[in-house]
Amino acid sequence: DGGITQSPKYLFRKEGQNVTLSCEQNLNHDAMYWYRQDPGQGLRLIYYSQIVNDFQKGDIAEGYSVSREKKESFPLTVTSAQKNPTAFYLCASSIDGGPYGYTFGSGTRLTVV
Amino acid sequence: QQPVQSPQAVILREGEDAVINCSSSKALYSVHWYRQKHGEAPVFLMILLKGGEQKGHEKISASFNEKKQQSSLYLTASQLSYSGTYFCGTEVRGSQGNLIFGKGTKLSVKP
Repeated sequence: DGGITQSPKYLFRKEGQNVTLSCEQNLNHDAMYWYRQDPGQGLRLIYYSQIVNDFQKGDIAEGYSVSREKKESFPLTVTSAQKNPTAFYLCASSIDGGPYGYTFGSGTRLTVV
Repeated sequence: QQPVQSPQAVILREGEDAVINCSSSKALYSVHWYRQKHGEAPVFLMILLKGGEQKGHEKISASFNEKKQQSSLYLTASQLSYSGTYFCGTEVRGSQGNLIFGKGTKLSVKP
């Protein structure tokens, strides 16, 4: 079955450490996205990529970095520069253009202590 | 600019109806609706592309008033399975397909 896989589901890190969240899709979707979800805030866009080797900053990119070396993969690194990294992170993908919705992964809950 | 959803929360009895609104300060190209259950991924419900378009999905339907820059989600004869948080995602012209999501409306359906 096609879908998006995010791993791990739960992640704990010490303050000051970088951490990378995995996102893999086998839907052959061109576009991929990273959102951060905090209670009562909705989903806020961190980074997005519409083609391999290209990505753009979203509304809250500071303290995060991404890469898109393969169509299937869009990992997110939460760096030590991110002031408040504890959150629920969602990866999504979509067909570029057309009347299609996003497919979301099941998320990674990151806790920084 | 984040779209504004209203109400923030609503509690229903099974079989009752609800309306969730989504308003934007910018001209919209499309509106998406998603439902998220606690601890799970948001699930796509429907997309509205044209002004005035209405779509249906079982007993859940939506409308899009392009002129007023708003969309409404209608849930009729609610079922327990409708419980969750509903998000609208708005795409403005020139945004390259990116969505800006509202803060969500928490819907609780009681027996």
